Amino acid sequence: QVQLVQSGAEVKKPGASVKISCKTSGYTFTSYITQWARQAPGQRLEWMGLIDPGSGVTRSSPMFQDRLIFASDSSAGTDSMELSGLKSEDTAIYYCTKGPLGGWFHYWGQGTLVTVSS
Amino acid sequence: DIVMTQSPDSLAVSLGERATINCKSSRSVLSPSTNKNYFAWYQQKPGQPPKLLIYGASTRDSGVPDRFSGSGSETDFTLVISSLQADDVALYFCQQYYSTPTFGQGTKVEI
Repeated sequence: QVQLVQSGAEVKKPGASVKISCKTSGYTFTSYITQWARQAPGQRLEWMGLIDPGSGVTRSSPMFQDRLIFASDSSAGTDSMELSGLKSEDTAIYYCTKGPLGGWFHYWGQGTLVTVSS
Repeated sequence: DIVMTQSPDSLAVSLGERATINCKSSRSVLSPSTNKNYFAWYQQKPGQPPKLLIYGASTRDSGVPDRFSGSGSETDFTLVISSLQADDVALYFCQQYYSTPTFGQGTKVEI
């Protein structure tokens, strides 16, 4: 059974950075790519980017203007996403997902609430 | 980016009745090379992450009850819950993964 367990909720000040981890189990780590998405209050889901754990290739949405870093540690079965230069509009629930390359989001983490407030 | 627009925003259906949700994409998500629609449906209950229901426009994920069915192609897609159960109360949203993934705004299904 595939499971994705994300790190806990965070409260950050504007301008700070946040790093969210996503521990996966139940499958071969490099079999799926990891995609990250977020859901701000009252907004639709927004794709942030992806990392292919097998190759290390990453892609980020231009909406984040180089504020994103994705990493993947196959030995630990863990992916991470770091978002810098936080703004109040970055307040959202952040999700890691696993699925086929270029495909749907098959498995989802439980979500991590990030609150950005002065 | 491809814009996904769902209708209606919400609907109330009696138990055992049919619920129909539509999703329209601003461009075709049918790949001419694979002849597959790069389209999925998800269900999200309050306080939970989304759950994959259907991918490829019409393929149910493992374990999804067969009262859920997806249809459509290119730009117009439909999710049908043939006989609504209490457990189906949720937010449903569509997604295209033909290009940079984008999502619909969601449809709230109530009893």
